[in-house]
Amino acid sequence: GQNIDQPTEMTATEGAIVQINCTYQTSGFNGLFWYQQHAGEAPTFLSYNVLDGLEEKGRFSSFLSRSKGYSYLLLKELQMKDSASYLCAVVDSNYQLIWGAGTKLIIKP
Amino acid sequence: ETGVTQTPRHLVMGMTNKKSLKCEQHLGHNAMYWYKQSAKKPLELMFVYNFKEQTENNSVPSRFSPECPNSSHLFLHLHTLQPEDSALYLCASSQESTSAPYEQYFGPGTRLTVT
Repeated sequence: GQNIDQPTEMTATEGAIVQINCTYQTSGFNGLFWYQQHAGEAPTFLSYNVLDGLEEKGRFSSFLSRSKGYSYLLLKELQMKDSASYLCAVVDSNYQLIWGAGTKLIIKP
Repeated sequence: ETGVTQTPRHLVMGMTNKKSLKCEQHLGHNAMYWYKQSAKKPLELMFVYNFKEQTENNSVPSRFSPECPNSSHLFLHLHTLQPEDSALYLCASSQESTSAPYEQYFGPGTRLTVT
């Protein structure tokens, strides 16, 4: 079967750095997405990785290792507004999106 | 504002009611989706429409009935629902391509409670 694993919940301090991991086992791989979802709001696109390595976009970076079936989302200089759920989703060989259950990130002052 | 709107935002209905959820996208995309989001569970894809044709139906019970009259509008008709159908229903759209995966744009969702 296809499976995406990410931690259910994480807590971090304002101004700090946090890394949210995502591991996957899917039938084929055509890329990995990260989305952010604030409570009661729509998921919004953060990043897309299809090649190994680190993609940096401001305070957020996303890393991919296809050989390890592993990705992480790195958030720097955390702000209170970063409190949200972070969803990992993998595109399989049929171009279907396989979603993780999401990681709820709590930022404390 | 993602360019995808959904109405109503909240809905409470009894098990014998009939209601419809509406989604509209203003992005010119050619594909639209219905997802079910339950607490602490992955997003569940329910239906996919591509160029108004249904291309995906992930074994969804017949009490959920989709309708896509044109590429900008998507409905989900609900009847005789069960309490376990209570969830957040998300609509999304994308510009589907055969050459590359596509980013999906989500609406804010309809919070459905079945009593």
